[in-house]
Amino acid sequence: QSALTQPASVSGSPGQSITISCTGTSSDVGGYNYVSWYQQHPGKAPKLMIYDVSNRPSGVSNRFSGSKSGNTASLTISGLQAEDEADYYCSSYTISSTPLYVFGTGTKVTVL
Amino acid sequence: QVQLVQSGAEVKKPGASVKVSCKASGYTLTSYYMHWVRQAPGQGLEWMGAIIPSGGGTIYAQNLQGRVSMARDTSTSTVYMELSSLRSEDTAVYYCAREQGGVAAPKKSFDYWGQGTLVTVSS
Repeated sequence: QSALTQPASVSGSPGQSITISCTGTSSDVGGYNYVSWYQQHPGKAPKLMIYDVSNRPSGVSNRFSGSKSGNTASLTISGLQAEDEADYYCSSYTISSTPLYVFGTGTKVTVL
Repeated sequence: QVQLVQSGAEVKKPGASVKVSCKASGYTLTSYYMHWVRQAPGQGLEWMGAIIPSGGGTIYAQNLQGRVSMARDTSTSTVYMELSSLRSEDTAVYYCAREQGGVAAPKKSFDYWGQGTLVTVSS
């Protein structure tokens, strides 16, 4: 099972919006509405930002939103802030075989 | 509040085994699936497997089958991950992560994570 494909880096200025893509296959991203997104600051554990494609856990800013079209999911961060600078990983459930969960390659978000 | 507290860093020689613990508090261990995810230095996340704390059932990533095992001790609300026949490429930070939603309605996403345990494999 290959990792989901994300851009290596995305950057934006404070206040701007950025979008991170996550491309998989019909066996994972395209097959289920079980895409989640995680934010990871250096030396810290990942933090859940989006689940079930577009749902935000309580406490996560509404500047973070998720969507999906076909085999590609997307995370949009609007009103970019300095604290959004981190690595972001998508993940999808897949029942094709184990692993049951596949993660993306990761995207470094830089706030200019 | 929910907390997952993992055991400390380990240094192991190639061929040895390592056992990492993850103590849960703030919720009932048996009500949620627990997963293990690892991250090699500078690399992405890799799902290793999961355990159903209520009955002890497990499922492992195919590439780790035969080397990984997961267990739980419900009396101490602790889950364990043991990896054997260690090789240099097993050097990574190992995380336990709780699956959101509980066993009744699993959400296929991980809402709480341990702080991570660095396992270094070196001769």
